[in-house]
Formats: sequence, C-alpha cells, structure tokens
Amino acid sequence: KNEVEQSPQNLTAQEGEFITINCSYSVGISALHWLQQHPGGGIVSLFMLSSGKKKHGRLIATINIQEKHSSLHITASHPRDSAVYICAVRSGTYKYIFGTGTRLKVLA
Amino acid sequence: NAGVTQTPKFRVLKTGQSMTLLCAQDMNHEYMYWYRQDPGMGLRLIHYSVGEGTTAKGEVPDGYNVSRLKKQNFLLGLESAAPSQTSVYFCASSYFRQGVLYSYEQYFGPGTRLTVT
Repeated sequence: KNEVEQSPQNLTAQEGEFITINCSYSVGISALHWLQQHPGGGIVSLFMLSSGKKKHGRLIATINIQEKHSSLHITASHPRDSAVYICAVRSGTYKYIFGTGTRLKVLA
Repeated sequence: NAGVTQTPKFRVLKTGQSMTLLCAQDMNHEYMYWYRQDPGMGLRLIHYSVGEGTTAKGEVPDGYNVSRLKKQNFLLGLESAAPSQTSVYFCASSYFRQGVLYSYEQYFGPGTRLTVT
C-alpha cells in the first residue's frame, strides 16, 4: 500500500463544475503539498499546508491532520485547469513522499 | 530570475553510455534534489544535497552519482546507462530557515526526458 494515496486517479469534468481531489496518507508529516503538473510536464507548487485551510483564487486546499487526509477543491472549473494534480507529504526534513497524481480534464 | 533550469531537455542514450544532467538555480537555495518520474508512480528521490559540497542518497540512488561543487548547481551522472533508467528527471530546490514552514516549498525545473535504448 502506498504511503500517499490519491483519488480519483482520473477525472473528467464539464466547465464550471466544482471539483474535489482527495489525498490520504499513512505516515506522520510536518507538511503537505499540492502540486500541479502541466501537460507540458512542468511542476508548480500550489499549496503547502500544515493545518486548516488555504485559498488561492478558485483553488482551496484543506487538511485534517487527525484523519490524515487532505482535499483540493477547484471551484468554477475551466479547461485551463486540465493538468495532473499531485499530493506530496514531507515526513522528515528532507523526505518527501509523492502520490501518483490525479489526471484532471475539464471539457468546454 | 530563471528559477530552476535543467540541461538538456531531451536525450537518447544507448545502453552503456554515460551522461550528466545539469541543474542550476538562481534563488540561492540550500537544498537541491533529483527525482525521477515514471508512469504510474509518484516522483521518487534519487539523491539530494543540503548544501555546497554535500550530497546524500535518496530512495532510488543505484546507477546514479551526483555532485554539488557550487551552491547553484547540482549534477546528476549516469556512468553506464541502462534501459531501466528511461524516465523523466526533475530537479528541485528549496531553502531552509529553522522554524519557517514555507522555506520548504520546492521549486521544480522543467524536466529532462531521457530514453535509453
């Protein structure tokens, strides 16, 4: 069993839909990251969380440390949101464990 | 600022050939990492460095060597390439300040797609 599990693996949505991507982990962590990998391959950091909730534009990330679970929400989805979303946890000073990613496609 | 850059972007090697991937960052970050990304798997750490002149093994170090002679550069070497090393390689960097959570945010390079035939 992977230490970081994401669901769903693939997701297709219509433009404007509310999207939720989930991440569960089984190790102790000091922070959780949400990353976006563009179709061209580049990876950018969206959020880094250690507790609670963060919002940036149409993106919202939440984390529940007790339940070892995080969610990434996209409101009013748009085709430009199509990408792979990766959850990563930091379990030590240097150690990051990455999920396998959720491939999102938003149709116009 | 260019951020994190990687050279080359693409490469095809024959089994047994050697090559070096270069990662450079202009953000004065202490920490640098090399990852590989394979289909159906999350990014896996090959080697990392916490400062100039220091390197350490990650999760999948076999077949790779690294060097960090200058703070801004982190080199990944393949001495004798194997088909199992066909992958996309990402370099990342972050800075560190004791007690500052956001200092661990990683900045990624654009990736190098390597094929070993």
